[in-house]
Amino acid sequence: GESVGLHLPTLSVQEGDNSIINCAYSNSASDYFIWYKQESGKGPQFIIDIRSNMDKRQGQRVTVLLNKTVKHLSLQIAATQPGDSAVYFCAENLKTSYDKVIFGPGTSLSVIP
Amino acid sequence: DGGITQSPKYLFRKEGQNVTLSCEQNLNHDAMYWYRQDPGQGLRLIYYSQIVNDFQKGDIAEGYSVSREKKESFPLTVTSAQKNPTAFYLCASSNRLLNQPQHFGDGTRLSIL
Repeated sequence: GESVGLHLPTLSVQEGDNSIINCAYSNSASDYFIWYKQESGKGPQFIIDIRSNMDKRQGQRVTVLLNKTVKHLSLQIAATQPGDSAVYFCAENLKTSYDKVIFGPGTSLSVIP
Repeated sequence: DGGITQSPKYLFRKEGQNVTLSCEQNLNHDAMYWYRQDPGQGLRLIYYSQIVNDFQKGDIAEGYSVSREKKESFPLTVTSAQKNPTAFYLCASSNRLLNQPQHFGDGTRLSIL
């Protein structure tokens, strides 16, 4: 069959502005959520995580918000810097016989100097 | 520094050839995983191993094989049965304690000659 190329959602922000990256997760039974950053040609790098008994967690310049009612996750990056340019993945962890992790397709963040 | 090392960074496969991708970790993690990443898509699980001498098929295991003879090592073989092997392959490991993130290597890019 014909294959169709997939294009990542893209977010462009001015350096110094705040960025918000959104993610819809799929399974209401997921109990743990992770945000990863992936730079070109490298593996995903852990940024921040949140458990399902929380709705907000803050790290250094990053905040993750979890809305279980609508199965929505967001990553906020404060004072975005050029080094933040990358693809950002959300991931949900579903407890089965192993840690089944379901990854979203990612959002490409581009920071304009 | 503790981490995950994947090699080689780039690999080329000829028609009918099997190739093996290396993954080594010194994080003392019990669980290890292999993912395939295609452009614009989320990571898809090929195989995983929760303990030495045991491994399980993931969502897209056909055309791949693995072994887990040592805790530190989880090599992936892409066999000639895998008809569309061109992709970015990522190895990850995790602690089997509750809700711990997976840590990733920097990947191997496999292409067809």
